[in-house]
Amino acid sequence: GEQVEQLPSSLIVQEGASVLINCSYTDSASVYFPWYKQEPGKRLQFIIDIRSNMERKQTQRLTLLFDKKTKHLSLHITATQPGDSAIYFCSASSNYQLIWGSGTKLIIKP
Amino acid sequence: AQTIHQWPVAEIKAVGSPLSLGCTIKGKSSPNLYWYWQATGGTLQQLFYSITVGQVESVVQLNLSASRPKDDQFILSTEKLLLSHSGFYLCAWTGDTGQLYFGEGSKLTVL
Repeated sequence: GEQVEQLPSSLIVQEGASVLINCSYTDSASVYFPWYKQEPGKRLQFIIDIRSNMERKQTQRLTLLFDKKTKHLSLHITATQPGDSAIYFCSASSNYQLIWGSGTKLIIKP
Repeated sequence: AQTIHQWPVAEIKAVGSPLSLGCTIKGKSSPNLYWYWQATGGTLQQLFYSITVGQVESVVQLNLSASRPKDDQFILSTEKLLLSHSGFYLCAWTGDTGQLYFGEGSKLTVL
């Protein structure tokens, strides 16, 4: 079945820096790739997604890149703020099942 | 606006005891509903999904069961808890674009 690998597992950066989170998946049948954010004590929250017919999607400070050939995604966050501190999850969807990465814990130092 | 509510917020239960967790969605007709399990700070594992009342599909076998008795209600249960059932249980529904909207979660500790 589908497997999703996410790296790095944790990241500590200074406020204002940019970060890159990488994900790779195994099942070429996966067509939808949403990302979620989990802040301490808060609900999991959708942040950005991309479908397999796209290569890039951008919303505010987030840019999501997708390479169908290598089965690889990367999330770029620019101008980080303390409020960006959270666990970020990538996922891959096929039919009604969503397979999740192990998460990247991002800490932004003020 | 749609709201999703889970209950209870937290439970401490003994191994071998029964469990029932609930989830209610308001403001969305015939939502697709999901149960997820999350180890503390860890990845999520999809457990069940339901696209209509009375129909539930199992994704993994973890000695748990789920039911959808009403359009807006999703129940997760087991008759005998195991230590491995400890964790965070999340209910979610999907919007029209496919994104998931999560409840606040139920923390289960099995002793």
